[in-house]
Amino acid sequence: GDSVTQMEGPVTLSEEAFLTINCTYTATGYPSLFWYVQYPGEGLQLLLKATKADDKGSNKGFEATYRKETTSFHLEKGSVQVSDSAVYFCALSGNTGFQKLVFGTGTRLLVSP
Amino acid sequence: DTGVSQDPRHKITKRGQNVTFRCDPISEHNRLYWYRQTLGQGPEFLTYFQNEAQLEKSRLLSDRFSAERPKGSFSTLEIQRTEQGDSAMYLCASGPKPRVGNEQYFGPGTRLTVT
Repeated sequence: GDSVTQMEGPVTLSEEAFLTINCTYTATGYPSLFWYVQYPGEGLQLLLKATKADDKGSNKGFEATYRKETTSFHLEKGSVQVSDSAVYFCALSGNTGFQKLVFGTGTRLLVSP
Repeated sequence: DTGVSQDPRHKITKRGQNVTFRCDPISEHNRLYWYRQTLGQGPEFLTYFQNEAQLEKSRLLSDRFSAERPKGSFSTLEIQRTEQGDSAMYLCASGPKPRVGNEQYFGPGTRLTVT
C-alpha cells in the first residue's frame, strides 16, 4: 500500500538557520503531496501542497518540490524562526476515489533564539 | 468560515464504557473523514463519508467502532466497550467535492484517555 517516510526528529536549529526535512513516498499512480504542520496545542494545518511532478508548493517561506524520479517531497526554509517550532507531517493522497490522506510519522522542529 | 469543530476536546473514561464524539465540518463540505493519532505517530485513516453515505472503512475500525453522518451534516464516532488501546487523539477532517489535490481541513481533535 501507499506509504510516507520522514526523517526522524527532533530537528534542533538556531534561529535563521536553513531547514530541510526529508520526505519520500511509495504510491501507485501519481498522488498529490502535502505538508501539514501541528503547532503545540493546535490541530493540523495545511502548509503547502503539490499535485504533479515538478510542481513546487510554497507558503510562509516554506517550499517543497514534487520529485517523481526520486519519489521525494522535501520541505525547506531558508531562515527559520522560533515561531516555526512545531511538528511537520508529510502526507499523500490519491487523486481518485475517496482520497484519504496517508501520513508520515512527523518530524518535530525545535528552533532556539 | 468557522472551521471544523470537535466536541469534546478531552474525554477520560473507564475501560468498558461507551463514548461518543461529535464533529461539525465546514458547512459547504460534503466529504468528511475520521483519523486516529497515537503519540509520536501520524494520523491514520478510520472512515470516510460523502454526504450521509459511509463509503470507506479502515480495517482499524473494529466492530466496537461506529460512525454516522445523518443528513450529511455533523458526524458522530462512537466507541463501545472502550479498551486502553483506544486511547488516542481522534481527528475529524472535511473537504469539498473531490478533485485533484483537494486538501482536507482538520478539527482540533478529541483526546481520549481510557483508564
